Amino acid sequence: GQQVMQIPQYQHVQEGEDFTTYCNSSTTLSNIQWYKQRPGGHPVFLIQLVKSGEVKKQKRLTFQFGEAKKNSSLHITATQTTDVGTYFCAPWQAAGNKLTFGGGTRVLVKP
Amino acid sequence: ETGVTQSPTHLIKTRGQQVTLRCSSQSGHNTVSWYQQALGQGPQFIFQYYREEENGRGNFPPRFSGLQFPNYSSELNVNALELDDSALYLCASSYRTGGNSPLHFGNGTRLTVT
Repeated sequence: GQQVMQIPQYQHVQEGEDFTTYCNSSTTLSNIQWYKQRPGGHPVFLIQLVKSGEVKKQKRLTFQFGEAKKNSSLHITATQTTDVGTYFCAPWQAAGNKLTFGGGTRVLVKP
Repeated sequence: ETGVTQSPTHLIKTRGQQVTLRCSSQSGHNTVSWYQQALGQGPQFIFQYYREEENGRGNFPPRFSGLQFPNYSSELNVNALELDDSALYLCASSYRTGGNSPLHFGNGTRLTVT
């Protein structure tokens, strides 16, 4: 089935710095969603990307869908302690009618 | 609007037993999906229910079964529990089935099998 690889698995970031997490697929994706899960919490929807090359921004978060729709990225600028959590990409898999989740990037922020 | 609620929050069962987990979907949502999340892993899709019928299934054995009721609430049943079934079980509702609708997750049920 369709699999996505998220890298890095862990990200230690100094408060105020920027970082990027990547989601890579070997197959073309129809669309992709991103979720954030705080420690001890549940996944919360952040954004959905549908179009090739699409870029969407939410304050300090920038989401991008690759031109070939095989990869996606999340870039966070000026990291804050509130950014702590695990970020998951989740491509839609029409065969099986399911949203599959990557392994996630766990973000730790050093104050 | 009320969000997704799950019960119970925690559960301890013995290997071989059966368990039923419950989920009330967010108002206005007709689709419910269930996920299993092992510690440190991403959520794994179990199945989805739409209009009281299973509408998609992941790679889980038949001892994982479910129901959806006319009010769109749902149950997840697991028979013959195994130690590896220990995980956080997440229910998520969405406005419609298909890939364009965000999932709204409940807080989950933490199942421990001993």
